[in-house]
Amino acid sequence: DTGVSQDPRHKITKRGQNVTFRCDPISEHNRLYWYRQTLGQGPEFLTYFQNEAQLEKSRLLSDRFSAERPKGSFSTLEIQHTEQGDSAMYLCASSLAPAYYEQYFGPGTRLTVT
Amino acid sequence: GENVEQHPSTLSVQEGDSAVIKCTYSDSASNYFPWYKQELGKGPQLIIDIRSNVGEKKDQRIAVTLNKTAKHFSLHITETQPEDSAVYFCAASSGGGSNYKLTFGKGTLLTVNP
Repeated sequence: DTGVSQDPRHKITKRGQNVTFRCDPISEHNRLYWYRQTLGQGPEFLTYFQNEAQLEKSRLLSDRFSAERPKGSFSTLEIQHTEQGDSAMYLCASSLAPAYYEQYFGPGTRLTVT
Repeated sequence: GENVEQHPSTLSVQEGDSAVIKCTYSDSASNYFPWYKQELGKGPQLIIDIRSNVGEKKDQRIAVTLNKTAKHFSLHITETQPEDSAVYFCAASSGGGSNYKLTFGKGTLLTVNP
């Protein structure tokens, strides 16, 4: 079990640039979640996938954010026209039926927008 | 939606003492309550969880209790060790429909002094 992996671990970008993060879930985990964590806060739900289908998006996920999971395995989260308020840790978690509630997190991608 | 309150925000104990962290939740439909440990620069690690049909669960030095009537649950760590120092998050999930998204508290920074 290699665990959930995320890439890159750190990303520094200038305001207005686009960034893309990747998440590889635990093998055979068919559910994948994205959360965002700001300093001093707990993670907040952004969106989740059941296999390749994106089933729910939080209102935190503005139109500048898009997530995909094309083949039901890895997922990408893209932020277009980044703003300083996008600076945060972006966490990915995966889970397996029937214990969907039991979510295992990756190490996160820390985004800094300058 | 669900709201999870966690306290204290910081907790300092001497090695060997016990530590207790408390959380309350608002959604009576919530039925799954995990606890995560997050070390600096890492993603949250699931350390113990409890379902609503159980009042208490133990795993070695850690235990979680749940009072569904009062809508609160607690994490108990006995015989604390310096390596227990981390930020601890409680969370709740209703599992309603098919989401199972987690709503987190703001975290407790636990420091165990040698």
